[in-house]
Amino acid sequence: QSALTQPASVSGSPGQSITISCTGTSSDVGGYNYVSWYQQHPGKAPKLMIYEVSNRPSGVPDRFSGSKSGNTASLTISGLQAEDEADYYCSSYTSSSTLYVFGTGTKVTVL
Amino acid sequence: EVQLVESGGGLVKPGGSLRLSCAASGFTFSSYSMNWVRQAPGKGLEWVSSISSSSSYIYYADSVKGRFTISRDNAKNSLYLQMNSLRAEDTAVYYCARDPYSNLPGGWFDPWGQGTLVTVSS
Repeated sequence: QSALTQPASVSGSPGQSITISCTGTSSDVGGYNYVSWYQQHPGKAPKLMIYEVSNRPSGVPDRFSGSKSGNTASLTISGLQAEDEADYYCSSYTSSSTLYVFGTGTKVTVL
Repeated sequence: EVQLVESGGGLVKPGGSLRLSCAASGFTFSSYSMNWVRQAPGKGLEWVSSISSSSSYIYYADSVKGRFTISRDNAKNSLYLQMNSLRAEDTAVYYCARDPYSNLPGGWFDPWGQGTLVTVSS
């Protein structure tokens, strides 16, 4: 099972919007709504930001939103803030012999 | 407060064994599936294994199948990962994370523990 494909890095200025893509196949991202997104600051554990493609857990700012089209899911951060600078990972259920697969990760830089 | 605390990491020689533990508190442990996820130094996240609430369903990544064994003790609110035949490429921080439901797949991981570092080196 190969990792889902994410851009290595995305950057934006404070207040701007950025979008991170997560591309898989019909066996994972495209076939199920079990796509989730995680934020990880250096030396810290990952934190759930989006689940089931577009749902936000309580406490996550509404600047974070998720969507999916075909085999590609996306995380959009609107009104980018300095504290959003972190690594972001997508994840999906997969119907392959394993159960879950993560994305390759994207480093978000706030200019 | 929901909390997961991993322990048991350390330095081990190639071919050796190690047992990781994850102590859960602040929620009804026996009602949730649980997972192990690892992260090699400077690398991305890799799902390792999942176990349903009653241990009826267990899944492994191909990279650890046959070498690692996930288990749980609901009476002790604890999750375990027995790691045998360790290789250099198993060096990583190992996180335990809760699934949202009792049966697999729940679809996401929340919360996560702080992680425990396993280093496989001679």
